[in-house]
Formats: sequence, C-alpha cells, structure tokens
Amino acid sequence: DTAVSQTPKYLVTQMGNDKSIKCEQNLGHDTMYWYKQDSKKFLKIMFSYNNKELIINETVPNRFSPKSPDKAHLNLHINSLELGDSAVYFCASSQSGRRGELFFGEGSRLTVL
Amino acid sequence: AQTVTQSQPEMSVQEAETVTLSCTYDTSESDYYLFWYKQPPSRQMILVIRQEAYKQQNATENRFSVNFQKAAKSFSLKISDSQLGDAAMYFCAYRSGGFGNEKLTFGTGTRLTIIP
Repeated sequence: DTAVSQTPKYLVTQMGNDKSIKCEQNLGHDTMYWYKQDSKKFLKIMFSYNNKELIINETVPNRFSPKSPDKAHLNLHINSLELGDSAVYFCASSQSGRRGELFFGEGSRLTVL
Repeated sequence: AQTVTQSQPEMSVQEAETVTLSCTYDTSESDYYLFWYKQPPSRQMILVIRQEAYKQQNATENRFSVNFQKAAKSFSLKISDSQLGDAAMYFCAYRSGGFGNEKLTFGTGTRLTIIP
C-alpha cells in the first residue's frame, strides 16, 4: 500500500495550458503539503493544509490553486502554465503535534514546453 | 526564519569507507527536530534519520549516525561502510512551526557518489 500517492507521475504540456496534480494519503494524517523541487534540486514549500484549512501559502503565484476536499486529499491546479513552472512537485503529509517527519509521495515531474 | 545550509554540493567516497556530510542551521527556537532525507535517482524522498533537539544523545540508524552540536547549530551525517545503494542526494531539513503549522525547511543538498 502506497502511503502518499500522486497522479500523474509525469506531465508534458504546452505553455498557457492548465494542469492538475492529485494527491492522496492513507496514513490518517491531518496535514498535507505541496513542495516544489527545481532543476537545481532545491525543495521549497508551496502550501500546507491542516484539516482542509489552508495554513501556509509561501508567496506562490495566483495561478497555483490548491484544494483539499478532505484531510486525505490535496490537489494542485495550475493555470496558464509558464516555462518556469517546470519542476518536480511533491506532495507530503504529517500528523500535527507529533513533530515527526513528513512522508512524501513519489513526485510529479511537470515539463512545460 | 529558519535557514539550513549544506556547504558541500558534492561528495564522493570509496565503497566500504566512511563519509560525513555537513549541515548547519539557524534558529531562535530551543525545541525542534532535524532530519536527513535521501533522494536516489528514483526521486523518492526517503527519511534516513531524525534528531530531537532536546535529546543530547546522537541518533543512530544502522550505518547512519549524526553528530548533533546544538550550541554550534550543526547536524552532520556520518555514513559508515558506504554501499553502492547509498549513492543519492542527501538533504538536511529543519522542522519548525507550532501545532498544525509545521513545515520542513531544506538545505540545498549534497550529491553523494560511491566509488566501487
């Protein structure tokens, strides 16, 4: 059983298109995250949700729209894709208050042409 | 804001030898968690080891151990008896935030190559 699963694993699309990435976790955690890993491998937090409520929004452009329908799911929709959006997007989850590690999905590699 | 610095972009080690990866961080908090994650070519982020700041004893997981120097804000990872499967990017990370507001801040990573 995959603990944190993301779909799709790969996306290739043209500039200006819209795309979505879905994430699901079966660990019973109450907090989920989106991280972006750029071409230099730097990992930076984009958003976090705790019990479906947006907690962290790290000055991400409005073209990025996270949505959490329930605490086990966190989706990311990206409008009007730009070349600079090409990256690997990681979903992660954790349980608040335990201050333990984050559990990561396998990542979704987005390539914008 | 917390920052995490990994000053070694690349390291290499002979198979079966020992290597140490460096990490320093900056924080005003007294209680926090530190982690080392491994990212092999498969892209998966894998937890290697974690350390609670309030514990003086250094964490150990099989061949992996840390040297945690709280006063110096240093958190290095030692890999003993290096194996080919240890080849990966290694990220140091700091966990900050209160209840429901936690996040990990990562260093820029160290690429470890194992020489057969």
